[in-house]
Amino acid sequence: SQQGEEDPQALSIQEGENATMNCSYKTSINNLQWYRQNSGRGLVHLILIRSNEREKHSGRLRVTLDTSKKSSSLLITASRAADTASYFCATDVNQAGTALIFGKGTTLSVSS
Amino acid sequence: GAGVSQSPRYKVAKRGQDVALRCDPISGHVSLFWYQQALGQGPEFLTYFQNEAQLDKSGLPSDRFFAERPEGSVSTLKIQRTQQEDSAVYLCASSSNGLPQETQYFGPGTRLLVL
Repeated sequence: SQQGEEDPQALSIQEGENATMNCSYKTSINNLQWYRQNSGRGLVHLILIRSNEREKHSGRLRVTLDTSKKSSSLLITASRAADTASYFCATDVNQAGTALIFGKGTTLSVSS
Repeated sequence: GAGVSQSPRYKVAKRGQDVALRCDPISGHVSLFWYQQALGQGPEFLTYFQNEAQLDKSGLPSDRFFAERPEGSVSTLKIQRTQQEDSAVYLCASSSNGLPQETQYFGPGTRLLVL
């Protein structure tokens, strides 16, 4: 079963525009992470936000976390064609806090 | 090592055939994870090792799936009597200690197609 649900499922924008993806989850978490997956490649870790944090930045990425609503958002500013990929949120919810539970992902297409 | 590596990258198997998928984690990483990713879906957890100990295998879909990590480094995921529904990308990940705050580093995956 999958814990997170990303929204939208697909997003198409022009280079230079901002892209916002949302993730909702069901149970209490330790951390929430965002990963990127390019076609034919493995998952690349983007950013981790702890359950006691509300916002985090990394370069052109901004992640927010609202534990009361059990939701997170990933904002990519000034998008580039190279940002074209699938983006997944992942949470760790089991007792040991080790296995990641992924959502179905948002497919982002950035056209030049 | 430079990163997590997996082999083979692609595998085509006839239904009923046994397959073995290999994962080389980052050198020194204690924790190793296997995930299964069906087309258009996010990865789903299969099993987790801490060194050579398999601490969680709750995600293995059936007893046809078996994983081992005998020396606490390289791991093998074996699927016996493959079925068409086993077709997926199998991802391996490793992390330093498996703590909640740690990043899991993923390999490129093995794409398995069962005909």
